[in-house]
Amino acid sequence: AQSVTQPDIHITVSEGASLELRCNYSYGATPYLFWYVQSPGQGLQLLLKYFSGDTLVQGIKGFEAEFKRSQSSFNLRKPSVHWSDAAEYFCAVGVQTGANNLFFGTGTRLTVIP
Amino acid sequence: DAGITQSPRHKVTETGTPVTLRCHQTENHRYMYWYRQDPGHGLRLIHYSYGVKDTDKGEVSDGYSVSRSKTEDFLLTLESATSSQTSVYFCAISESVTEAFFGQGTRLTVV
Repeated sequence: AQSVTQPDIHITVSEGASLELRCNYSYGATPYLFWYVQSPGQGLQLLLKYFSGDTLVQGIKGFEAEFKRSQSSFNLRKPSVHWSDAAEYFCAVGVQTGANNLFFGTGTRLTVIP
Repeated sequence: DAGITQSPRHKVTETGTPVTLRCHQTENHRYMYWYRQDPGHGLRLIHYSYGVKDTDKGEVSDGYSVSRSKTEDFLLTLESATSSQTSVYFCAISESVTEAFFGQGTRLTVV
């Protein structure tokens, strides 16, 4: 069965500092992997996605993520965090079982301090 | 938000009453989904649809039913609402495995 683990429930970083959010997945086949961001009271917005090819993927808002098959990880990174990045971040694995279903991690809440 | 409208956006209802949430899309996407979001659980799939009148259960389907009579509409029904169904409900649509688009969510409170 597929599953996604985000080990950090809450992370606090200073504005301008670098960021890494961790994501580990479990899936028997080649995964489709996603990172979504959710601002308070809003829906989810896709930051980036990985299907195949280059294991370092670039997304919107200056985010990137690296797929490491040997570690079953898909960590999200940003070199310099802005106050507007404060939000909740979800990692997800995509599974094709009758539809294109997404299985989400429990999320990491990011707080940015001045 | 990719042409997805959820209604209502907020609802308070009493235990034991039926509730229907509506998701309407203007993108003509084949797949539609209902998720619920709860603290500490992330988003969990309730039901999904892969075409008109074609639906299937997700991981937390107990107490919920769905219907899709038109491509653009996907209804989620709580036949008899319980306090454990207090949650934020999100509709999503997709055409392929490449991306899913989410609505703004419906906050449901069962008292």
